[in-house]
Order: sequence, then C-alpha cells, then structure tokens
Amino acid sequence: QITLKESGPTLVKPTQTLTLTCTFSGFSLTTSGVGVGWIRQPPGKALEWLALIFWNDERRYSPSLKSRLTITEDTSKNQVVLTMTDMDPVDTGTYYCTHTEVGGVGDYWGQGALVTVSS
Amino acid sequence: SYELTQPPSVSVSPGQTAEITCSGDALPKQYAYWFQQKPGQAPVLVMYKDSERPSGIPERFSGSSSGTTVTLTISGVQAEDEADYYCQSADSSGTYVFGTGTKVTVL
Repeated sequence: QITLKESGPTLVKPTQTLTLTCTFSGFSLTTSGVGVGWIRQPPGKALEWLALIFWNDERRYSPSLKSRLTITEDTSKNQVVLTMTDMDPVDTGTYYCTHTEVGGVGDYWGQGALVTVSS
Repeated sequence: SYELTQPPSVSVSPGQTAEITCSGDALPKQYAYWFQQKPGQAPVLVMYKDSERPSGIPERFSGSSSGTTVTLTISGVQAEDEADYYCQSADSSGTYVFGTGTKVTVL
C-alpha cells in the first residue's frame, strides 16, 4: 500500500525559505520508473506542478519557479524534500506530495499540507 | 508557456453523459492524465495515458484523444461524480502542466 505524507511549517513569513518533507511508504525511489513530485494549489484555484525527482536522480522543475526550487531525496529515510526560497503571500496554498510510475505527475497523492505566507 | 484549456463548467443530469475536453498543442505527441478532486480532498487519478483506467476507477469513466484535444467521458453520471476535474500533460521539453480545471455539476 503506497502512502505519502507531507510535513512542514504551516506559516512562513515573506522572504523566508519553505522546507517541506514528504515521507513515503509502500515503494522505493530506487525502483526503475518511479518518481516523487510536488504540486500545489492556491485556495480556490487550479493545481500547479512544481517539481519531480526520478529513481535515476533526474530532476525536473517548473520553468516559472525553477530559480526558487530544490528537490532532494533521502532514500535511506524514504523522504523527499522540497525547498522554496523567497516565499511570498501568493505562494499560500496546499502543497501535495505525489508518487508517479505511469508517466504523469501523480498516481498516488498525499493528503496535502496547507502553507500560509504572512507576516 | 504551454497551456491546457478546459471548459470552466459542465452540467449534467444523473444518468446522462458528461464530456470534459482538454485542448493543447502538444497533446498529439504527449499523453494526457485526468484527476478528480472533491472539496477538501486530494486529487485522485481517474485516467492515465489518454485512455487507461486505474484500478478501482468505475468503468463509466473513459478517455479518448483526437488531435489537439483529449476528452474524459463519464457515462451514466452519478451524484458522487460531482467534482473538479483536471487534465495534465507535458510539453515537448518534458515540463508538466495542468489544465485550467472543470467543475462538473450533477443537476
């Protein structure tokens, strides 16, 4: 059974760096074809893909946010970490961690973590 | 930047058929994926690689592709199908993108 859970701060101040951790179980990020990604959703708005890391350490980022994002993995802990620098109130939203193995960005999703950016 | 366009809303009566379209220039060469999201919940994958249905998704959900448009069809719509639906694909460089989203209302 594949599960993912996001953890991190619920409130960050503008200009701070956000660090979110995805802790997963039921699969290994060393298995060929597997990826773990991050997707966010501002309140009442559409989904936005952020980043994805694959089993072979390939990393892909949203072009519009690439300069602010870093995705890393700790396979020994079954964790993937996303950092986003220079946070702004427009970055407020729910951040989801996902597993992919069928070619898209998310065949399994975490419950999501609400992050509010406010001073 | 690459965009996927969906109708903002689709309304359908119970038992009827709902068709949700998603248009994008790269769709002839890239697979599409569909997600269902109910209020307060995480999205759920309901279709992958244009027309493949994941395990556990009802047979009334089907997908198709024609040129620059992909379509998610819900046959025999039920009240529980009321949700937001998002398509997702990639551009030629492998950058992923979501569609604008469609709210399906069951009358």
